Amino acid sequence: GESVGLHLPTLSVQEGDNSIINCAYSNSASDYFIWYKQESGKGPQFIIDIRSNMDKRQGQRVTVLLNKTVKHLSLQIAATQPGDSAVYFCAEHLGGGADGLTFGKGTHLIIQP
Amino acid sequence: NAGVTQTPKFQVLKTGQSMTLQCAQDMNHEYMSWYRQDPGMGLRLIHYSVGAGITDQGEVPNGYNVSRSTTEDFPLRLLSAAPSQTSVYFCASSYSNGDTGELFFGEGSRLTVL
Repeated sequence: GESVGLHLPTLSVQEGDNSIINCAYSNSASDYFIWYKQESGKGPQFIIDIRSNMDKRQGQRVTVLLNKTVKHLSLQIAATQPGDSAVYFCAEHLGGGADGLTFGKGTHLIIQP
Repeated sequence: NAGVTQTPKFQVLKTGQSMTLQCAQDMNHEYMSWYRQDPGMGLRLIHYSVGAGITDQGEVPNGYNVSRSTTEDFPLRLLSAAPSQTSVYFCASSYSNGDTGELFFGEGSRLTVL
């Protein structure tokens, strides 16, 4: 089965509120994690990444949190805007020289006006 | 920079037909890969290449062939299309094998096999 999964397939938030998108992973050897955003009809775009030796990383309006104890990853988007509407994927790199990324199924973030 | 360019954007095939999805990148990336995206399945790795002349299988390689004769190009070939290969295909490139830095994705190629 999927080693990376999301708790909710769809998340609806009010414009201006903060959004939190969650991701669970099962491989404790994963050493690198990335969040991607995919708008309708387009390819995924990089948002933010985090290494397994970190707990938190911040970008512009986005924060990624990594909890290795429970194998949980989250993406927080501050002051959600209409342009944030998209499908968000988490991805993990399995480490140990493995190639490629394993992607989760995605969460569709819907922004309510 | 054009980034990662995929052609065609849309294609309809009949079962048993063959075709090639083209992928080119102008960022001098060593690592290139092909993913397929199906509803509810996320992105799954088909084949990848860590450099010219080197290719390897990903999670779902059956029914697909690849080659990497140049750094820039990484075509994906379907020798005998099947309805199960109806999907959206994404080519991606990066500086490394995924353990650092981002993957740059193309816009996707939507394939329908009848």
